[in-house]
Amino acid sequence: DAGVIQSPRHEVTEMGQEVTLRCKPISGHNSLFWYRQTMMRGLELLIYFNNNVPIDDSGMPEDRFSAKMPNASFSTLKIQPSEPRDSAVYFCASSLRGGGSYEQYFGPGTRLTVT
Amino acid sequence: GESVGLHLPTLSVQEGDNSIINCAYSNSASDYFIWYKQESGKGPQFIIDIRSNMDKRQGQRVTVLLNKTVKHLSLQIAATQPGDSAVYFCAENNEAGTALIFGKGTTLSVSS
Repeated sequence: DAGVIQSPRHEVTEMGQEVTLRCKPISGHNSLFWYRQTMMRGLELLIYFNNNVPIDDSGMPEDRFSAKMPNASFSTLKIQPSEPRDSAVYFCASSLRGGGSYEQYFGPGTRLTVT
Repeated sequence: GESVGLHLPTLSVQEGDNSIINCAYSNSASDYFIWYKQESGKGPQFIIDIRSNMDKRQGQRVTVLLNKTVKHLSLQIAATQPGDSAVYFCAENNEAGTALIFGKGTTLSVSS
């Protein structure tokens, strides 16, 4: 099993640009999570999908952030326009079952730097 | 509100020693707890989990203990190895059971 796949691994962009992060969950997993990790705030849940449907997006910082899951094998997290405070490592995780009661498997992360 | 915290931010041990990493949680309604290991430049890696109907669960070289009375969770690593050096996170599920809430992490440093 290839595990959760994320791309790109590193992204450097200028303030105001659009950024799209991509995730392929583990095959057969029906839940997908986007997290953001910073030194100050630790690991924060941004949004959670179950069977491709967004269930909880209360962690999405603001309207500049949006996430989609068009099918069971692909999800995107988009930031438009990006700001320097968005610099962080963004992780995607998937789980065989939904919610917070089963182990989640994390991808390698995308390190985003906004200058 | 909900919070998951760690008693010590760093732990330094000698190779071969047993390590104990502690975690306090505040939500008495949480029924699922999990430990992750994160190495530098990598995503969190699942170690072991435990549900609230258990007090102890063992894996390979690791044991998780849950004390619901004092809302305390610990991870024990036997015969710690240099490869165990990493940041360890505990997490609990939220009241609705829809998400995991992660603590800040403890850095484990193993010297040989």
